[in-house]
Amino acid sequence: ETGVTQTPRHLVMGMTNKKSLKCEQHLGHNAMYWYKQSAKKPLELMFVYSLEERVENNSVPSRFSPECPNSSHLFLHLHTLQPEDSALYLCASSPDAKSENTIYFGEGSWLTVV
Amino acid sequence: AQSVTQLDSQVPVFEEAPVELRCNYSSSVSVYLFWYVQYPNQGLQLLLKYLSGSTLVKGINGFEAEFNKSQTSFHLRKPSVHISDTAEYFCAVSDQGSSASKIIFGSGTRLSIRP
Repeated sequence: ETGVTQTPRHLVMGMTNKKSLKCEQHLGHNAMYWYKQSAKKPLELMFVYSLEERVENNSVPSRFSPECPNSSHLFLHLHTLQPEDSALYLCASSPDAKSENTIYFGEGSWLTVV
Repeated sequence: AQSVTQLDSQVPVFEEAPVELRCNYSSSVSVYLFWYVQYPNQGLQLLLKYLSGSTLVKGINGFEAEFNKSQTSFHLRKPSVHISDTAEYFCAVSDQGSSASKIIFGSGTRLSIRP
């Protein structure tokens, strides 16, 4: 069992659809993250949750809506996305939100918006 | 930290040859430095990190990196690469005492190993 599990691994959605990405961590960590990874771009941090409270929202469009019901689960709700939102979305966790901590990543969810 | 630069987007090397992946950063305060690796179709995983102490840091899979404060560099090295080292490598930097949300990742260096 991997430490950070993401589902689905692949998702194709139309611009008018509503879908969600799910993340679960089995490491007992208190901080969870959503990153966007696009080709030839640095990793973009989207959201950070610490103890289930959102502590960072890096100017992400409102068509992305995160939810953290408990410290083990993180969702990314998607609606009316654009083709440029197609990317690999990585969920991650760390013991807490301090900068010296190792960040543990899931395998990612490949999103294609058509 | 203000920025991190990985100077090479791609590095091709022959199997069993040595390799160095370059990383430079800029920051007005003391930093923590990381190297992460992403194998095909996987997420990132930590190779090694520098927090304090010895400037030579040893990581997994035979990799090591040296923190050079005067040159603001944290280059990654391996004396002899294997086919299984084919992956993308990311350098990252964060300011000491800050939040993990302030970690900045480089654009990545794709290491391809030729037999």
